[in-house]
Amino acid sequence: DAGVIQSPRHEVTEMGQEVTLRCKPISGHNSLFWYRQTMMRGLELLIYFNNNVPIDDSGMPEDRFSAKMPNASFSTLKIQPSEPRDSAVYFCASSPGPNTQYFGPGTRLTVL
Amino acid sequence: AQSVTQPDIHITVSEGASLELRCNYSYGATPYLFWYVQSPGQGLQLLLKYFSGDTLVQGIKGFEAEFKRSQSSFNLRKPSVHWSDAAEYFCAVGAKGTYKYIFGTGTRLKVLA
Repeated sequence: DAGVIQSPRHEVTEMGQEVTLRCKPISGHNSLFWYRQTMMRGLELLIYFNNNVPIDDSGMPEDRFSAKMPNASFSTLKIQPSEPRDSAVYFCASSPGPNTQYFGPGTRLTVL
Repeated sequence: AQSVTQPDIHITVSEGASLELRCNYSYGATPYLFWYVQSPGQGLQLLLKYFSGDTLVQGIKGFEAEFKRSQSSFNLRKPSVHWSDAAEYFCAVGAKGTYKYIFGTGTRLKVLA
């Protein structure tokens, strides 16, 4: 099993640019999560999908952030426009059921 | 308020020494408790979890944790640390059937040769 796959692993962009982060969950998992990790706030849940449907997006910080899951094997997290305070490590995780999550390696985003 | 506290931001131990990482939680419902490890540049890997039953749970890589309801604690232990254990460790709490965890701020472990 390849595990959760995220791309890119590192992204450096300039303020105002659009950023798209990608995630491929583990095959057969029906839940997908996007997290953000920063020194100041730790690990925060941004959004949760179940069967490709967004269930809880209360953690999405503002309208500049959007997430989609067009099918069971792919999800994107988009930031538009990006700001320096968006710099963080973004993790995707997938789950076959409650109380079990498998994390990807993360995307380190730097917004200059 | 629901929260997870890991009071030690950094811990340094010598290789072969024993290790205990502290985790205290405040949670309204019956807690499901987790320990994750994050190696540099990697995602979080589940070490162990406690749902119910025996309060001493065994995990991967020789780790164990003990749930103490009276102290609202779930401390992680290892009898003999290896250099490869150097990483950041996160405690988390959630409810039965939940997808939403509350994570602690992490404890960074350094291992001296």
